[in-house]
Amino acid sequence: DADVTQTPRNRITKTGKRIMLECSQTKGHDRMYWYRQDPGLGLQLIYYSFDVKDINKGEISDGYSVSRQAQAKFSLSLESAIPNQTALYFCATRGTGNNEQFFGPGTRLTVL
Amino acid sequence: GENVEQHPSTLSVQEGDSAVIKCTYSDSASNYFPWYKQELGKRPQLIIDIRSNVGEKKDQRIAVTLNKTAKHFSLHITETQPEDSAVYFCAASINDYKLSFGAGTTVTVRA
Repeated sequence: DADVTQTPRNRITKTGKRIMLECSQTKGHDRMYWYRQDPGLGLQLIYYSFDVKDINKGEISDGYSVSRQAQAKFSLSLESAIPNQTALYFCATRGTGNNEQFFGPGTRLTVL
Repeated sequence: GENVEQHPSTLSVQEGDSAVIKCTYSDSASNYFPWYKQELGKRPQLIIDIRSNVGEKKDQRIAVTLNKTAKHFSLHITETQPEDSAVYFCAASINDYKLSFGAGTTVTVRA
């Protein structure tokens, strides 16, 4: 679904570095989510936002922060990356009155 | 918070046979249960969902059943085809605010 994009698609970084993952959407949705996917653990919710002024922690928010710069943009930051943050990260969006979450293509992050 | 358990973790079926994946949830207030399919290297996509006021929903070869009393729901795929090979995730939520996902089931359809 090209309406939800993520940059970068792949990133290799070193322990202790700050890194930002970006998500943009052209679907006009107000709700945006960040998930982390690890093998055998499914999708775990990191943060979610229902509008620009609303930010909520998910199940595994420690070590992460987010910024909702505009309705269409939701960024995820790792202030000081550590190896166990190596994972596949997905952004998702959802419109009000519609149940379906639309996922971006994912960002594969490796922390050495 | 909500805890969703999904079984089995892997499932291999012969083409044409049926596949069943089961999930249990912990919070009796959960009222929305979607299923997502993730093909290899792709993003998850919604394939079917059900609300707590409905016991069963069907869409062509896939169906979902819900047992609120037992707090479990299942995905049924009939007449499996090679393109059904993927990872399937169940999820549960209360009033659509946020989804709690199961760990996923890798389905392989053998030709």
